[in-house]
Amino acid sequence: AQSVTQLDSQVPVFEEAPVELRCNYSSSVSVYLFWYVQYPNQGLQLLLKYLSGSTLVKGINGFEAEFNKSQTSFHLRKPSVHISDTAEYFCAVSSKGDKIIFGKGTRLHILP
Amino acid sequence: DGGITQSPKYLFRKEGQNVTLSCEQNLNHDAMYWYRQDPGQGLRLIYYSQIVNDFQKGDIAEGYSVSREKKESFPLTVTSAQKNPTAFYLCASLSPGGGGTYNEQFFGPGTRLTVL
Repeated sequence: AQSVTQLDSQVPVFEEAPVELRCNYSSSVSVYLFWYVQYPNQGLQLLLKYLSGSTLVKGINGFEAEFNKSQTSFHLRKPSVHISDTAEYFCAVSSKGDKIIFGKGTRLHILP
Repeated sequence: DGGITQSPKYLFRKEGQNVTLSCEQNLNHDAMYWYRQDPGQGLRLIYYSQIVNDFQKGDIAEGYSVSREKKESFPLTVTSAQKNPTAFYLCASLSPGGGGTYNEQFFGPGTRLTVL
């Protein structure tokens, strides 16, 4: 069975500082990995996805994530955050033909 | 533009009343989902439907009911049997992923239900 662990429930970071949101997964088969963002009182929006190929994936709003198969991780990074990045971020995993499993989310707080 | 609509955005009901949340999609997706979101608990699956006229219980189906009479529509009813219905409800659909390829999930804007 697949599972996703987001190691931090909340991450505070100063504006213009770098940030990393951590995600680890477990699966016995090849996986597809996703990061979604949820702004307050809105639905989830796809930020980026890893399907195959290059392990460094670039998404919207300057975010990127790196797939590390040996460490079963898919951490999300941004070199310089903005106040508008305040949101909750969800990591998700699926495999071919299977449903998507979501982590519990990491709330990103941007400090002025 | 293709997408998922949920209505209303905010809903208030008295305790003991049933309430139905609307979800419509024009993405031509077969599979649709309902999630409940509470602070710090992520997304919990209530019901899902992989095809018209068929649906399955998710992890927290008690106190909820659904129907799937049309491909475009997947309404959720929160019944009086649901002990703690106040939450944010998200509807989603899943892209087909034909040929064993990946599936991507698309979400509606959500409905915040408050039971007084």
